[in-house]
Amino acid sequence: DTGVSQNPRHKITKRGQNVTFRCDPISEHNRLYWYRQTLGQGPEFLTYFQNEAQLEKSRLLSDRFSAERPKGSFSTLEIQRTEQGDSAMYLCASSSSLRTSGSYEQYFGPGTRLTVT
Amino acid sequence: EDQVTQSPEALRLQEGESSSLNCSYTVSGLRGLFWYRQDPGKGPEFLFTLYSAGEEKEKERLKATLTKKESFLHITAPKPEDSATYLCAVQARGTSYDKVIFGPGTSLSVIP
Repeated sequence: DTGVSQNPRHKITKRGQNVTFRCDPISEHNRLYWYRQTLGQGPEFLTYFQNEAQLEKSRLLSDRFSAERPKGSFSTLEIQRTEQGDSAMYLCASSSSLRTSGSYEQYFGPGTRLTVT
Repeated sequence: EDQVTQSPEALRLQEGESSSLNCSYTVSGLRGLFWYRQDPGKGPEFLFTLYSAGEEKEKERLKATLTKKESFLHITAPKPEDSATYLCAVQARGTSYDKVIFGPGTSLSVIP
């Protein structure tokens, strides 16, 4: 396993279109997170899964955003009716719920860069 | 309110010129403090986890330290390949989720 993967790496879409991103976590990790990052800022939490259960959603996550993690493996993040303000880097991270190696650190994928025109 | 700030916002160093980056935090119930490195257009790369005041971790030219209010990332004799944005994050105790809050980062440029 080479780490967290995300697809696509880049997405350009027109305002009002729907987009879907995929994240494949590190295989032995049961926790999965989605973040959004804009230029000059740190990653901002969007949502969290433990196995297939979505346990937390940011209040910043509007109804246009939905995430799934069927069977506790890969996850998808869908944005409906995209707006220009949705342009950002969308990052996925995974971690183990076991404090192996003494920490719960999250490992990030390369991100999906979304541009809404 | 849980908060993480980092200073300076940007730092330019000559190759070999040692310096420190600061991360200040206010959080209820600290589970851990993380340092990440992020290169342009890429996801953050994990560097260190610190759990309690007084703890130190080292990796090559980097050394992270933790107090009750802040953490420092010391860079000794930096090289141009150390140029990146360094992110600090804290993990705070929650109910269903031990939330991780990131700071805005420090952009480091090391000039040959």
